Amino acid sequence: QQQVKQSPQSLIVQKGGISIINCAYENTAFDYFPWYQQFPGKGPALLIAIRPDVSEKKEGRFTISFNKSAKQFSLHIMDSQPGDSATYFCAASRRMDSSYKLIFGSGTRLLVRP
Amino acid sequence: DSGVTQTPKHLITATGQRVTLRCSPRSGDLSVYWYQQSLDQGLQFLIQYYNGEERAKGNILERFSAQQFPDLHSELNLSSLELGDSALYFCASSTTTANYGYTFGSGTRLTVV
Repeated sequence: QQQVKQSPQSLIVQKGGISIINCAYENTAFDYFPWYQQFPGKGPALLIAIRPDVSEKKEGRFTISFNKSAKQFSLHIMDSQPGDSATYFCAASRRMDSSYKLIFGSGTRLLVRP
Repeated sequence: DSGVTQTPKHLITATGQRVTLRCSPRSGDLSVYWYQQSLDQGLQFLIQYYNGEERAKGNILERFSAQQFPDLHSELNLSSLELGDSALYFCASSTTTANYGYTFGSGTRLTVV
């Protein structure tokens, strides 16, 4: 119930293409769904996030689609660029005892070819 | 700069030794989280502290321990090190007033030889 399942494990996309990463969760107590971007040798950085009462959120070329009934959410990277090559983690958050607990997916390694 | 400071950035030590990793959270954040990331692996949650108190434990080995001090910085102690402990160790912090996730530091790369 605490898991967040992420797919695919790796993804290769041509420059200008659309990258799609999918995640699924089981625990309906989660109330926030962030995505993190991690470059090699760096810490994960918050990329974009969505609340479960919103079906879509867009920030530049990055869009989160959220399907509450299916308990699934996905990250779409439009017009993918070589600079987007990184590992992407989805996560689900819930408030616990005055702090927040984040459960991370297993990560997707994205390679955007020039 | 994320505002979360981790030192040292790199650490090379021998098997059986003990090391201490340090983390200063972002200003105003009361929660500190420690994660381990092995090569090509995901983020494994180790332990969480909130305002000096342990709040949650994940897959933390008994050889590992942590604490959060009154000034809110945290230390992760790793003892009787084994080759398999070689990994990136990340610290993250969060505030209680917003649920937009954690802010991660740049990590400490530990190599056990």
